[in-house]
Amino acid sequence: AQTIHQWPVAEIKAVGSPLSLGCTIKGKSSPNLYWYWQATGGTLQQLFYSITVGQVESVVQLNLSASRPKDDQFILSTEKLLLSHSGFYLCAWRQGGTEVFFGKGTRLTVV
Amino acid sequence: GQQVQQSPASLVLQEGENAELQCNFSTSLNSMQWFYQRPGGSLVSLFYNPSGTKQSGRLTSTTVIKERRSSLHISSSQTTDSGTYLCAITNAYKVIFGKGTHLHVLP
Repeated sequence: AQTIHQWPVAEIKAVGSPLSLGCTIKGKSSPNLYWYWQATGGTLQQLFYSITVGQVESVVQLNLSASRPKDDQFILSTEKLLLSHSGFYLCAWRQGGTEVFFGKGTRLTVV
Repeated sequence: GQQVQQSPASLVLQEGENAELQCNFSTSLNSMQWFYQRPGGSLVSLFYNPSGTKQSGRLTSTTVIKERRSSLHISSSQTTDSGTYLCAITNAYKVIFGKGTHLHVLP
């Protein structure tokens, strides 16, 4: 069974519209969670991390926000999308100082 | 400056040749991972290798922490090895990626 699930797989959204991307981790207790973003042809950049429910730290500001409403859920959102938000979004998890595991990602196109 | 530097940026090989990909980092870490990024963007973890040498099939990863470097060796390359290889270092709360090496293996 897949441990990490991201949704949706792909989105096409209009500039100025809201966005919500989700990530669920199954079978792991209190994992560290991460959001990443990659522009087309660009480097993977870490956006946020969370080590516990209700606490999220920002690493890079891109007019996005993140929340961790449950131990196993990480949400990335914005109220108004920009063209520059287009790209590939990845969620990841790990426990302790060990290997990091990634979801399959969400491809976002802002038009 | 960039904390994780990968070289070469791109590499073209003839099928059957070996490849050596390098990753140098300028900050302390508690782990090192190598990934293959599929054309669609998803990541395949190749090695979790904070120190020493690990091998999996035709792939070998060697990390030397004191010298702040890690390498990925691909032996007898195949056309299916083509793609982007990423190294990443991690500390307590961050996972920092390099820009990647774009490998193209010709038949």
